[in-house]
Amino acid sequence: DAGVTQSPTHLIKTRGQQVTLRCSPKSGHDTVSWYQQALGQGPQFIFQYYEEEERQRGNFPDRFSGHQFPNYSSELNVNALLLGDSALYLCASSPEAGWIPDTQYFGPGTRLTVL
Amino acid sequence: AQTVTQSQPEMSVQEAETVTLSCTYDTSESDYYLFWYKQPPSRQMILVIRQEAYKQQNATENRFSVNFQKAAKSFSLKISDSQLGDAAMYFCAYRRGAGGTSYGKLTFGQGTILTVHP
Repeated sequence: DAGVTQSPTHLIKTRGQQVTLRCSPKSGHDTVSWYQQALGQGPQFIFQYYEEEERQRGNFPDRFSGHQFPNYSSELNVNALLLGDSALYLCASSPEAGWIPDTQYFGPGTRLTVL
Repeated sequence: AQTVTQSQPEMSVQEAETVTLSCTYDTSESDYYLFWYKQPPSRQMILVIRQEAYKQQNATENRFSVNFQKAAKSFSLKISDSQLGDAAMYFCAYRRGAGGTSYGKLTFGQGTILTVHP
């Protein structure tokens, strides 16, 4: 049973560029959440997707956007990158209903460095 | 807004000994869930244990157990018989109840770095 997968593992961009990060949820999961984790800090919630719609959003600017596909996979897009966007980006999946819907399972993350 | 506080930036323990990590939270909700996640240097956030707020019985998973004090809004993690592989950053997290659905974010504490000495 494959867990949550994310790509790429590492990414280096320059200020002003745009980046797309990808996530495939755990088998049987249809809800995807994205988090940003700065070095030495706890993860901060960016947004959550269900049924291809963003249904909850954290305190992040519109430069952060996302998408969910019919197969439940998801993308996180960040435009006009700033140095402060350098962080570990974590994707988490959960089943909307059924067995333990409240628990989110995390992928290995994508380390984004903005120069 | 809900907040989660971990007041111990770092903890250490000898192998085979017991250690307790502290967590407090603030919420006005009555239906919620609490979690402990472990994040080793590999970065993968791994679920250690979860607790439903409506359950009075403390959750236990092998060597890991919690002390859930709802009135005090305290949720500590006890690791018994510590092993070298337990060394990691540990995060306490809160999620409000959502009527049996997956709706809703996790709110994390700042984390506690656990070092295990051989």
